[in-house]
Amino acid sequence: QVMLTQAPSASASLGASVKLTCTLTSGHSTYAIAWHQQQPEKGPRYLMKVNSDGSHIKGDGIPARFSGSSSGAERYLSISSLQSEDEADYYCQTWGTGSVVFGGGTKLTVL
Amino acid sequence: QVQLVESGGGVVQPGESLRLTCAASGFSFSSYNMHWVRQAPGKGLEWVAIMSSVTHDEKYADSVKGRFTISRNDIRKTVYLQMSSLRPEDTAIYYCARTTSDWYFDLWGRGTLVTVSS
Repeated sequence: QVMLTQAPSASASLGASVKLTCTLTSGHSTYAIAWHQQQPEKGPRYLMKVNSDGSHIKGDGIPARFSGSSSGAERYLSISSLQSEDEADYYCQTWGTGSVVFGGGTKLTVL
Repeated sequence: QVQLVESGGGVVQPGESLRLTCAASGFSFSSYNMHWVRQAPGKGLEWVAIMSSVTHDEKYADSVKGRFTISRNDIRKTVYLQMSSLRPEDTAIYYCARTTSDWYFDLWGRGTLVTVSS
């Protein structure tokens, strides 16, 4: 069964850039994933789907400063020109054999 | 407006039942798979169940199998989660979400809180 690994925390300064990583388990490097943002006290929000070739499909209204990429079994979410409202939990998600899998989430702090 | 709105949460005692409702609007509901996902206090996201479009096939996480039942009414654009034999570990915010044929969530509701406590 596929699993997803994320670092529990990350931080970057206001106006800077950050790259979050989601790692697929061995043998699942062709899987696409989706990134979701959860701001404090809010429900999750779909950001984008990232394919194994690095192409990505963003959700409606997602700013251009959010982008996705891939390398091997790693899927990335890059955020440029960090704003205070980007401080949130970020979850990656995929699916396989009749169930959905989430990573543990990365808490992004904007300094 | 494209949205999902959950309702039905509340405080119940262990062993009791509760039914959650998710009302959809602004999109072709019958074309989408509908899911329930939960989040325990201070924890990450956990998938709970899916009811597929068209065939209405059901699948469940092992943690709720045999206790929870998902259903949908495509005319009313609504998906339900019937929860029985509730346990304290079922305490969570419950979100409904949609997917197409590949199960990547692209729309979430705001959630409804279920608290199981004596």
